[in-house]
Amino acid sequence: TQLLEQSPQFLSIQEGENLTVYCNSSSVFSSLQWYRQEPGEGPVLLVTVVTGGEVKKLKRLTFQFGDARKDSSLHITAAQPGDTGLYLCAGQEYGNKLVFGAGTILRVKS
Amino acid sequence: GAVVSQHPSRVICKSGTSVKIECRSLDFQATTMFWYRQFPKQSLMLMATSNEGSKATYEQGVEKDKFLINHASLTLSTLTVTSAHPEDSSFYICSARTASSYNEQFFGPGTRLTVL
Repeated sequence: TQLLEQSPQFLSIQEGENLTVYCNSSSVFSSLQWYRQEPGEGPVLLVTVVTGGEVKKLKRLTFQFGDARKDSSLHITAAQPGDTGLYLCAGQEYGNKLVFGAGTILRVKS
Repeated sequence: GAVVSQHPSRVICKSGTSVKIECRSLDFQATTMFWYRQFPKQSLMLMATSNEGSKATYEQGVEKDKFLINHASLTLSTLTVTSAHPEDSSFYICSARTASSYNEQFFGPGTRLTVL
């Protein structure tokens, strides 16, 4: 099974600040998904990136897939308290299961 | 969008009893569903892959006789925790894979199991 390293594990910032979460692997994934999870709920899919070098934007969130499809980043601009949650990256092994990163707990203080 | 439901959302049981958790894909058919376990403030740990009409594939270290999985239809998979013990207390989440070209997974809301 491939490994996916996610960093940072914890992030506590003030409202209005920017932040970036990284996911890195030595292996290639066919696609990579980002999820956000709130306490007591299941993860909610934010985006799927497929093509190397792909950049997708979802309002204040920008997702990037590395050229070699081994790494990805999530950048949040002007974070808001509503962005608080657990962010998970997950790489799709070819034709099979998802490999999850360890998760990043984000807390945005007002 | 793809919606996955889980039932029950919370369950409390006595040690030694069995608990069944249902996972349903509401607006699509899912030949493959997945069962995860999650500890507080941690990522998801895959327990098993549930395939419609065939036996589930369990991850290393997961006891197949303790965590029984049945995927009897294209929209329903069940996880039964047999002879539950306090150490089985956890948040159990299922997901269903769509037939899209990206094989995206959509997750249920989770089931909080507490074994007394």
